[in-house]
Amino acid sequence: NAGVTQTPKFQVLKTGQSMTLQCAQDMNHEYMSWYRQDPGMGLRLIHYSVGAGITDQGEVPNGYNVSRSTTEDFPLRLLSAAPSQTSVYFCAIRGGPDSPLHFGNGTRLTVT
Amino acid sequence: AQSVTQPDIHITVSEGASLELRCNYSYGATPYLFWYVQSPGQGLQLLLKYFSGDTLVQGIKGFEAEFKRSQSSFNLRKPSVHWSDAAEYFCAVGAWGTASKLTFGTGTRLQVTL
Repeated sequence: NAGVTQTPKFQVLKTGQSMTLQCAQDMNHEYMSWYRQDPGMGLRLIHYSVGAGITDQGEVPNGYNVSRSTTEDFPLRLLSAAPSQTSVYFCAIRGGPDSPLHFGNGTRLTVT
Repeated sequence: AQSVTQPDIHITVSEGASLELRCNYSYGATPYLFWYVQSPGQGLQLLLKYFSGDTLVQGIKGFEAEFKRSQSSFNLRKPSVHWSDAAEYFCAVGAWGTASKLTFGTGTRLQVTL
């Protein structure tokens, strides 16, 4: 999945800890988004951005913050991790109105 | 609100057999439809997409899908499955436009027996 880099690949947190999931792209796409994937629930949109300085909520935004200061980066912040946030997180970008989403390889997060 | 239903959670087929994965959607306007595939531990890879034109669309890896507006369906097919097709498959619906939000189905896990 060249073009979208997610770090870290794996992370274990204790309840109440904070962390930032990183997403970086080198394709100069305006649209960036975060999804979480849970068994039996498909992918659900957390937050998205249509350009630097512009962010909006998706389907499941509670417990997550985002900001977009540059075109390249779209970090996802968990301010106080909860076990319900145990999931696989995917960053996805989109080049234009007729373009599909292009996904990173994901970050597997476990909150104990 | 838009939604996607993939009624089959798990499907098992023999290598060389044909495959059809079902997808039904609910959308108020002209839908933009996708099929993605996910191998274990990997991100999602686009198989094919449909917005307008020919209702039978061809994708990568020998997959095709047919849009049927009257049935609100976008089923994925492959004439002869290979063992390497074992993966999870997701259908998604959205609108045309860069800011469009995609809604995904819950996925169908395909197992291929030799």
